[in-house]
Amino acid sequence: AQSVTQPDIHITVSEGASLELRCNYSYGATPYLFWYVQSPGQGLQLLLKYFSGDTLVQGIKGFEAEFKRSQSSFNLRKPSVHWSDAAEYFCAVGTGTASKLTFGTGTRLQVTL
Amino acid sequence: EPEVTQTPSHQVTQMGQEVILRCVPISNHLYFYWYRQILGQKVEFLVSFYNNEISEKSEIFDDQFSVERPDGSNFTLKIRSTKLEDSAMYFCASSDLGQANNEQFFGPGTRLTVL
Repeated sequence: AQSVTQPDIHITVSEGASLELRCNYSYGATPYLFWYVQSPGQGLQLLLKYFSGDTLVQGIKGFEAEFKRSQSSFNLRKPSVHWSDAAEYFCAVGTGTASKLTFGTGTRLQVTL
Repeated sequence: EPEVTQTPSHQVTQMGQEVILRCVPISNHLYFYWYRQILGQKVEFLVSFYNNEISEKSEIFDDQFSVERPDGSNFTLKIRSTKLEDSAMYFCASSDLGQANNEQFFGPGTRLTVL
């Protein structure tokens, strides 16, 4: 069965600083990988996804993520964080078309001014 | 932009009561899902639904739960006899089978509080 690990429960960064959120997955084949963001009281918004091709994927709001098969990782990055990026970030793995998503425990991002 | 909608946004119920959570998926989508998120915990898969039947369900989705697509637009989750531990945020999602990458679009959620 697939699983996702997000080792950082809570991260605090200063506005304008760079950000990297870690995600490791466990799955025997090539996974479909996703990053979702959840603002307080809101639903889940897709930031970006990877399923094949270029291992560096670009998403919305200036986010990018890199798939590294050798490390079973799909870390999320942003060069310069904005205060509005404060939210909870979830990494998720899917195993095929229309399959269920398995989520990590999430990383709460706090941005200081 | 099309979106998944859910009603109600917040439901409070007494333990043992039945609740029905409603979702309107994106109109051309064919796969439907329910997930839940207990406060402070991760989002967990409950069930997926396609062609008017359950495709997959988790061990959480026991006999107390059921799903239905009563008409061409709604997708419902019923909990027959609620327990305190059913208190959670319930998210509906849908996806288009024509997309090979399984992007699921999530609704804003229904917060269920069982007293």
